[in-house]
Amino acid sequence: DIQMTQSPSSLSASVGDRVTITCRASQTISTFLNWYQQKPGKAPKLLIYAASSLQSGVPSRFSGSGSGTDFTLTISSLQPEDFATYYCQQSFSIPRTFGQGTKVEIK
Amino acid sequence: QVQLQESGPGLVKPSGTLSLTCGVSGDSISSPRWWTWVRQPPGKGLEWIGEIYHSGSTNYNPSLKSRVTTSVDKSKNQFSLKLTSVTAADTAVYYCARGGIWDIVVPRNSISFDYWGQGILVTVSS
Repeated sequence: DIQMTQSPSSLSASVGDRVTITCRASQTISTFLNWYQQKPGKAPKLLIYAASSLQSGVPSRFSGSGSGTDFTLTISSLQPEDFATYYCQQSFSIPRTFGQGTKVEIK
Repeated sequence: QVQLQESGPGLVKPSGTLSLTCGVSGDSISSPRWWTWVRQPPGKGLEWIGEIYHSGSTNYNPSLKSRVTTSVDKSKNQFSLKLTSVTAADTAVYYCARGGIWDIVVPRNSISFDYWGQGILVTVSS
């Protein structure tokens, strides 16, 4: 199985801050990498696919980058509705594994 | 607007079989998608269970493969999950999701879960 490791596991930030979350794959996955946002009691929501493509309807303050084994999700200016848990997920191979999640909390 | 809705029992006895169905609206189950199941134990992260293509081709998580079966019902535009020999460790919120393909050249890899059901909590307990 490909292991996906996110860092940090949690972070505290203020509205307006720039936030960066990293995701590392245990082997190369090209750009077969997706990012999701999950709020408590809700289903995950797709933010970024193919490492850097913004899903339709997702605000442009979200961006993704990376290829191979190292990937980044950036929120350019954190908004109140962005406080949530974020997951990366690889689709390169079976099983399609998720990272352990990064919880973004209010500072 | 694509919508997915899980249905099934919220309580299953240990050693029993968990059976869930996902109804799809706004898209055809016969479209080129990977119809997917993901679960999340209370307070924990997401675990991919498996997926089925409209043709019937399936992929499963090796950790669950011996206990999992998925199927498609084209007449009802829905797909289903069966998980046998359940234990308390199978207690989780179960989500169905649509696996959209972003690059038709590599349809088995370029998959993202673009629509999700609301999730259903299944508790394994006697």
